[in-house]
Amino acid sequence: EVQLLESGGGLVQPGGSLRLSCAGSGFTFSSYAMNWVRQAPGKGLEWVSAISGSGDNTYYADSVKGRFSISRDNSKNTLYLQMNSLRAEDTALYYCARDPSHTVLFWFDTWGQGTQVTVSS
Amino acid sequence: DIQMTQSPSALSASVGDRVTITCRASQSINTYLLWYQEKPGKAPKLLIYAASSLQSGVPSRFSGSGSGTDFTLTISSLQPEDFATYYCQQSYNTPPTFGQGTKVEIK
Repeated sequence: EVQLLESGGGLVQPGGSLRLSCAGSGFTFSSYAMNWVRQAPGKGLEWVSAISGSGDNTYYADSVKGRFSISRDNSKNTLYLQMNSLRAEDTALYYCARDPSHTVLFWFDTWGQGTQVTVSS
Repeated sequence: DIQMTQSPSALSASVGDRVTITCRASQSINTYLLWYQEKPGKAPKLLIYAASSLQSGVPSRFSGSGSGTDFTLTISSLQPEDFATYYCQQSYNTPPTFGQGTKVEIK
């Protein structure tokens, strides 16, 4: 069974940093591009970032560009999101989502259950 | 960015009803349109890709149609497990964007 399990969320002060992880299982992790998508409380879905299967290509939403960094370790079947200079508006449930291809197609055939990030003093 | 607008934002329906949700893109997106189902506390689930292709394992009562700017998701006979929020999303260009969601509630 294909599974994605996020971790690393929590409460952080404005300006702080956090690193999210997403462990993939049940599929050949390196063969798929991966994404982060978030959902602020009471709001809709917002795409955050994507990375190709090899890790060579990365993409970011304008709202996080320069503050967030996506990476992956295919030897550990794990996706990461390093979040720096966090703001209150980054408060959201962060989902890890699999792209259906090695290259980034910007759609998501499998999602994790999410990890909560709260930015507050 | 391409704006995706869903209607209605919410609807009430009964088990067995036929339900239609519409999604409009602010520019043509060909058939680069996805539909997802979201339930509280659960991972979102892909229902439809390429506007009308049913994702593996999704019941055939779900169908999608449309191209260009106007799309629909239809549930032919609503089942108790279908009460959820549905989102459309375009993958035509970056950034991928979602509709605001349509909540399907029990009448």
